[in-house]
Amino acid sequence: AQSVTQLDSHVSVSEGTPVLLRCNYSSSYSPSLFWYVQHPNKGLQLLLKYTSAATLVKGINGFEAEFKKSETSFHLTKPSAHMSDAAEYFCVVMPLGGYNKLIFGAGTRLAVHP
Amino acid sequence: DTAVSQTPKYLVTQMGNDKSIKCEQNLGHDTMYWYKQDSKKFLKIMFSYNNKELIINETVPNRFSPKSPDKAHLNLHINSLELGDSAVYFCASSPRPLDGELFFGEGSRLTVL
Repeated sequence: AQSVTQLDSHVSVSEGTPVLLRCNYSSSYSPSLFWYVQHPNKGLQLLLKYTSAATLVKGINGFEAEFKKSETSFHLTKPSAHMSDAAEYFCVVMPLGGYNKLIFGAGTRLAVHP
Repeated sequence: DTAVSQTPKYLVTQMGNDKSIKCEQNLGHDTMYWYKQDSKKFLKIMFSYNNKELIINETVPNRFSPKSPDKAHLNLHINSLELGDSAVYFCASSPRPLDGELFFGEGSRLTVL
């Protein structure tokens, strides 16, 4: 069975410093992986997706993620945090032929301090 | 214009009641979903419809019944509400059924007392 594990439930950074949100996946084949963001009291929004093309994936708002098969990781990064980045971030895997039956990680709450 | 809209946004009700949540999307997508987010922010799919046909039906109690009158609408009806049904319910739609890109509504927070 496929799954994702988000290694930190909370991450706190200062504005202007780098962001690293960690995600490991478990899959017997090369999966489709995603990061979604949820701002307070809002719906989820797709940040970026990996579907076996380039291993470094660029998303919206300056975020990017690197697929590392050897480490079974798909960490999300951003060079410089902005106050508006404060939100809940979900790492997501989709099974093959899964009809968008997305499997969500537990989420990482990102706090950004002035 | 809101792409995926859900009503009501907040719903407070007593155990045993029946309630419905409505969802509409104006994106022209063929596929729609219901996801449940519990108090620990864990998200799990409940149902999916593709062009009014049910394609995903997770292990959800029979008290939950989705209905899709047309491909732009997917409603969720819940009978005999229980305390454990308290959650945020998200409707979503997608242009393609197999690429993982979903567009979510803002959620409907259901509180069962």
